[in-house]
Amino acid sequence: GAVVSQHPSWVICKSGTSVKIECRSLDFQATTMFWYRQFPKQSLMLMATSNEGSKATYEQGVEKDKFLINHASLTLSTLTVTSAHPEDSSFYICSAPSTAGETDTQYFGPGTRLTVL
Amino acid sequence: DAKTTQPTSMDCAEGRAANLPCNHSTISGNEYVYWYRQIHSQGPQYIIHGLKNNETNEMASLIITEDRKSSTLILPHATLRDTAVYYCIPHTGRRALTFGSGTRLQVQP
Repeated sequence: GAVVSQHPSWVICKSGTSVKIECRSLDFQATTMFWYRQFPKQSLMLMATSNEGSKATYEQGVEKDKFLINHASLTLSTLTVTSAHPEDSSFYICSAPSTAGETDTQYFGPGTRLTVL
Repeated sequence: DAKTTQPTSMDCAEGRAANLPCNHSTISGNEYVYWYRQIHSQGPQYIIHGLKNNETNEMASLIITEDRKSSTLILPHATLRDTAVYYCIPHTGRRALTFGSGTRLQVQP
């Protein structure tokens, strides 16, 4: 299957600082990527859709000025958590659809665990 | 996306088959049934998908009822590494996936 990578796999930062997370599709091009977050003992929740060459679309309740998304190329999307606070501590996961046969299958990155002190 | 119902948790003995059911009675005609799993602290892993025919790959088999209102994921010989949360997701197109609560499968030695 297609491979999606994320970097870093974990990060610890101080409150008020910004953190950038990268999502790359390694062996396919992705005009669309999705960003999810997952709090402990909960399921994945979609945060935003990243579109190559255009603005991201955000889910209701997700602050677009706080979670900056840039999709600069067909293989890279970045999520920047600005002015991070402890409540932003979570597991952030990206995914991208890859056409396999007659349908698009989504492949996920390994996730980035963010801890804000 | 169609609503799904899965058992909250299941146990399976190592080496035995694990059969994970999913009800998706409101699935649309063009939606595939996708199965993913999430091992602790990892991103979800694609397992298998199907439209109406049964499917098999190197990881699992997928049985879809004729009316498409339910399906069963079969792990033929479960190992400890199969312990994970398994998600059944009706889906089509390039939209984001909607995750429910899934089934927590615990494979016992």
